[in-house]
Amino acid sequence: EDQVTQSPEALRLQEGESSSLNCSYTVSGLRGLFWYRQDPGKGPEFLFTLYSAGEEKEKERLKATLTKKESFLHITAPKPEDSATYLCAVNNQGGKLIFGQGTELSVKP
Amino acid sequence: EAGVVQSPRYKIIEKKQPVAFWCNPISGHNTLYWYLQNLGQGPELLIRYENEEAVDDSQLPKDRFSAERLKGVDSTLKIQPAELGDSAVYLCASSPHRGNTEAFFGQGTRLTVV
Repeated sequence: EDQVTQSPEALRLQEGESSSLNCSYTVSGLRGLFWYRQDPGKGPEFLFTLYSAGEEKEKERLKATLTKKESFLHITAPKPEDSATYLCAVNNQGGKLIFGQGTELSVKP
Repeated sequence: EAGVVQSPRYKIIEKKQPVAFWCNPISGHNTLYWYLQNLGQGPELLIRYENEEAVDDSQLPKDRFSAERLKGVDSTLKIQPAELGDSAVYLCASSPHRGNTEAFFGQGTRLTVV
């Protein structure tokens, strides 16, 4: 069964303290791995798409990487405005988009 | 470009009453998803449409939930009758076409069943 597991469930950082979020997946025929950001009371906001192992994408303080089993979202020198829940999702060969449970990130000034 | 539009944003109903949610996807997007999200959890797929065809509704509780996407554009998700456990956020998303393209989400409808 296709599955996505994110860790940790919650992460508290001080402003400027870099860290990484993990997304482990088991999927029949990966057709894309996606990272989303979700603020309270809002829908998920698309961040990145990764298609193949070794691929990397960057946007401001965020960098996403992909291996055959997992993806990492690296946050460099985070700011309080980076506080949100980060969701990972995979698209399987049937076109189904499957989400993990998310990592709630809190960045304190 | 307008994003995915959902209405209403909030809905409070008594149990056993019917409720309907509406979604207007991004223009030109053939794939439409309905997801359910409980507090502190990731979205869970209810149904996926490719144009007007429901291609994956395996997670839709068909005894009380129904959905339609007439003419392959707007979609409506209905619950009848609602139960207390249906309280959640209902998210609609769309993507250009089936496959490895990202999906874009609406703001969601927060349903509270009392």
